Amino acid sequence: AAGVIQSPRHLIKEKRETATLKCYPIPRHDTVYWYQQGPGQDPQFLISFYEKMQSDKGSIPDRFSAQQFSDYHSELNMSSLELGDSALYFCASSLGPADRGPNTGELFFGEGSRLTVL
Amino acid sequence: DAKTTQPPSMDCAEGRAANLPCNHSTISGNEYVYWYRQIHSQGPQYIIHGLKNNETNEMASLIITEDRKSSTLILPHATLRDTAVYYCIVRVANTGNQFYFGTGTSLTVIP
Repeated sequence: AAGVIQSPRHLIKEKRETATLKCYPIPRHDTVYWYQQGPGQDPQFLISFYEKMQSDKGSIPDRFSAQQFSDYHSELNMSSLELGDSALYFCASSLGPADRGPNTGELFFGEGSRLTVL
Repeated sequence: DAKTTQPPSMDCAEGRAANLPCNHSTISGNEYVYWYRQIHSQGPQYIIHGLKNNETNEMASLIITEDRKSSTLILPHATLRDTAVYYCIVRVANTGNQFYFGTGTSLTVIP
């Protein structure tokens, strides 16, 4: 079965550079979520989108932005990169609330994009 | 969404049942209990979820107390590949809101 696809899997950037991560959700899923996981830390929610509109917002820095496109894929744009941005970035997808019954709602995660800022 | 409390770490002998507890004393009536696990640096993996009835699937069983303030994830025959961090999450199902992961339980299955 198709899973959540993230690209690139690994990315190395210098401080103050920009980076873009891409996420392709499971077919028919219209909700995407972005998480950041630093070394030895738990996943931290950044932002989510449902039907191309921002659905929820977490601890996403102002230097980061994201959007969901008409084909439901999403991109996370990170500017003025700092050393502390080095982390695993996970994308997850799910069916939106209008498309599922009450007894569902699980998120399916991709394998992550590892960003290293030097 | 309600917050959860889990023990930071547990050990389990290979082949034995692993019982992972979770307290969610502030859970509200429309919040489900979800369990995920994360094997080292991989994407979190869905295990099971439930509202108030006990649930079982091919991976695990979920036991939810009658007052819904706590639950237990049971891996009936733990294998070395079950070594992972296990997260208990409570959340309203029909939203696009975040899953709050909390700190989880690091389960080590010992040969």
